[in-house]
Amino acid sequence: ELKVEQNPLFLSMQEGKNYTIYCNYSTTSDRLYWYRQDPGKSLESLFVLLSNGAVKQEGRLMASLDTKARLSTLHITAAVHDLSATYFCAVDPTSGGGADGLTFGKGTHLIIQP
Amino acid sequence: EPEVTQTPSHQVTQMGQEVILRCVPISNHLYFYWYRQILGQKVEFLVSFYNNEISEKSEIFDDQFSVERPDGSNFTLKIRSTKLEDSAMYFCASTAGEGSAEAFFGQGTRLTVV
Repeated sequence: ELKVEQNPLFLSMQEGKNYTIYCNYSTTSDRLYWYRQDPGKSLESLFVLLSNGAVKQEGRLMASLDTKARLSTLHITAAVHDLSATYFCAVDPTSGGGADGLTFGKGTHLIIQP
Repeated sequence: EPEVTQTPSHQVTQMGQEVILRCVPISNHLYFYWYRQILGQKVEFLVSFYNNEISEKSEIFDDQFSVERPDGSNFTLKIRSTKLEDSAMYFCASTAGEGSAEAFFGQGTRLTVV
């Protein structure tokens, strides 16, 4: 059974600080996704990482994937309040994509305080 | 921008009743999914659907659940006899198919079983 573990599960940080969320998974996969969820809302796709060493950046967020270590990171640079949300990583357990469902981590509840 | 739409946004039903949750995936997408999220918990895969049949299902997706694509646009999830523990947010998602890995999620249907 594929396991996806995120840490921390809860993070309170001040604006302007940097921090990293970690996502470890238990099986070989080269397809990893990061989603953002605001309270009561749907899942917004942030990053799709499809190969070892993939790095993607959007604004103050940067995601990377190390398939050998089975680890992805989501780095937040100079956090702002608008980034407060719950962040989920999700793993596609197969290399072919398509029909198989994603396995999600428990999510990191991020609060950024002024 | 194309999006996945779900109806209703909120459904309240009595225990033992049947419910049908509806989804309209993005029009040129080939793979369709249902996920659920119990309040405050992680997102869990239920079922995937491709070429008019179930491709994969999780152990959550028991005989009480069924999916259907009754026409060219709708994708439905039916729960035959709802239980209190079925209360959750149900998300529909779709992907274009292999080679295009990104899953797009609908806004969700909040199901409350009383």
